[in-house]
Amino acid sequence: DQQVKQNSPSLSVQEGRISILNCDYTNSMFDYFLWYKKYPAEGPTFLISISSIKDKNEDGRFTVFLNKSAKHLSLHIVPSQPGDSAVYFCAASANWNGNKLVFGAGTILRVKS
Amino acid sequence: DADVTQTPRNRITKTGKRIMLECSQTKGHDRMYWYRQDPGLGLRLIYYSFDVKDINKGEISDGYSVSRQAQAKFSLSLESAIPNQTALYFCATSEGGAGVEKLFFGSGTQLSVL
Repeated sequence: DQQVKQNSPSLSVQEGRISILNCDYTNSMFDYFLWYKKYPAEGPTFLISISSIKDKNEDGRFTVFLNKSAKHLSLHIVPSQPGDSAVYFCAASANWNGNKLVFGAGTILRVKS
Repeated sequence: DADVTQTPRNRITKTGKRIMLECSQTKGHDRMYWYRQDPGLGLRLIYYSFDVKDINKGEISDGYSVSRQAQAKFSLSLESAIPNQTALYFCATSEGGAGVEKLFFGSGTQLSVL
């Protein structure tokens, strides 16, 4: 049973518009949530994170929103750029589990120019 | 040079063969991990090591073994490869400690078992 779910396998967005990637989780004990980005033939790279005690974290064009009551988080990219085209993985960790990351299945984002 | 280096980048092998994937890092991190990526399943943890004398199974360790030869080296072995072990394998490291655990990944090894 997947604890972290990304229900949209792919998303296509026009350059300059907003990209919204969604992630749901089942375990209310997660302490941190992270987003990783992966380009073809490369390993995933860390993008942004949020603590469970916050509801928003922003870093440039990237903002992550956390809704704990709904067990849902989302990554907003504004404005989207063609270089943002990649696979985005949502991940979660819990202190009680040694902070090991549990990953979602990933969402392929395509930004069209 | 990459901070986390995996070798080989690609490998094709036959069912029943023993194969080793190697990982080395220059980040000085104590924690190292092996993940596999499968379409629709994301990244799943195979084994992890929090220091040289520490080895732990992840969620999908059956059919795999690991060796932590040094702080900087962590290898993954498939004793008798089978086709459903065909996947993209990633090694990762992290610093450990309190707070959010950021992983740093290698570029991956694409393994095909025929």
